[in-house]
Amino acid sequence: DGGITQSPKYLFRKEGQNVTLSCEQNLNHDAMYWYRQDPGQGLRLIYYSQIVNDFQKGDIAEGYSVSREKKESFPLTVTSAQKNPTAFYLCASSPHRDTGELFFGEGSRLTVL
Amino acid sequence: AQSVTQLDSHVSVSEGTPVLLRCNYSSSYSPSLFWYVQHPNKGLQLLLKYTSAATLVKGINGFEAEFKKSETSFHLTKPSAHMSDAAEYFCVVRQSGSARQLTFGSGTQLTVLP
Repeated sequence: DGGITQSPKYLFRKEGQNVTLSCEQNLNHDAMYWYRQDPGQGLRLIYYSQIVNDFQKGDIAEGYSVSREKKESFPLTVTSAQKNPTAFYLCASSPHRDTGELFFGEGSRLTVL
Repeated sequence: AQSVTQLDSHVSVSEGTPVLLRCNYSSSYSPSLFWYVQHPNKGLQLLLKYTSAATLVKGINGFEAEFKKSETSFHLTKPSAHMSDAAEYFCVVRQSGSARQLTFGSGTQLTVLP
């Protein structure tokens, strides 16, 4: 089955620790995205990548980092510089950049203790 | 600049009755509009999209939406609610360009009562 796999589904972190969220897709999509979702709010774009070895900051990139070394993979690192990291993180992909049709993973819920 | 407003944060309906989820948008250009659905602790799934073709758009699971330019609205409807429709629904607007230009509404939580 083609799709997007995010792991882990739940993650707990102590303050001051970096954590990396995994996102893998087997849809052969060029573009990939990371969104943050907080209760009662819409999704906010953290980073996006339109092609391998290239990525761009979204609206709330501070305290986050990404890499895109392979077409299938777009991991997100939440660094200790992120002031309020507790949230639900969603990875998405699209066949090309000029579309609003996104395919989403099931999300990773990060809780900072 | 573009924006999207979902007029109700929560909507409750009884099973078998119609569903109406309201969305207004603003955009400098002719927009593309989308509705996504999210079940608890899951990712979002595309329900339907408007991209300047027919103004009445049919989607999955019996949902449809009508693009009304004069009212800058894109309301989501379904004639008869089912228990499985209980979820959060997001209206999304995109101006021409990449998906970088997507703006998500704050969501409407739909509750379906037995």
